[in-house]
Amino acid sequence: AQKVTQAQTEISVVEKEDVTLDCVYETRDTTYYLFWYKQPPSGELVFLIRRNSFDEQNEISGRYSWNFQKSTSSFNFTITASQVVDSAVYFCALSPGVYGNKLVFGAGTILRVKS
Amino acid sequence: NAGVTQTPKFQVLKTGQSMTLQCAQDMNHEYMSWYRQDPGMGLRLIHYSVGAGITDQGEVPNGYNVSRSTTEDFPLRLLSAAPSQTSVYFCASSYGAGRSYEQYFGPGTRLTVT
Repeated sequence: AQKVTQAQTEISVVEKEDVTLDCVYETRDTTYYLFWYKQPPSGELVFLIRRNSFDEQNEISGRYSWNFQKSTSSFNFTITASQVVDSAVYFCALSPGVYGNKLVFGAGTILRVKS
Repeated sequence: NAGVTQTPKFQVLKTGQSMTLQCAQDMNHEYMSWYRQDPGMGLRLIHYSVGAGITDQGEVPNGYNVSRSTTEDFPLRLLSAAPSQTSVYFCASSYGAGRSYEQYFGPGTRLTVT
């Protein structure tokens, strides 16, 4: 079975704090893809990152960074120096298999950044 | 490119009514899919298509039908609406044929069934 668990339902931080959103996944497939999406209050889904199961390199993009650890089946997302505009719901998703086109989403983490 | 478009943006139905949610993409994507988003549950896959004429069920297909007569369009039909189908519906598209790209999502349709 495929499953994604985002244990943090809601996180509140003050601007400029660093925050890490946790994501743990389950799959029996050896090839799979992991994603993070952002859903701001306006409701659209914004793609942030895709990572395949063979690439465990961590990635940094501006204030965003991702830590992929196959040994613990985790794909955590860190925002450094958070800003109010980071307030959103963040979804981690798994796509098993080689095509990476059918997503299994976690329940999402609501991030509130206060000024 | 308009990307992925969905109509309508909002809809209210009465129990038992039927309707079609429209989805279109202009990126020549092979893969298209429908998800529903319910509070506290993330998004769940309803149906998907890997190309014109080919569709398959996702995690929560009951009560919904799809067809894919063209590459561009992937309508979702509610046969007899039920209050449990109150949700936000997202259509998504992506390249297929062994290439894994991120899925592009439409803006969503908020459906209320009374």
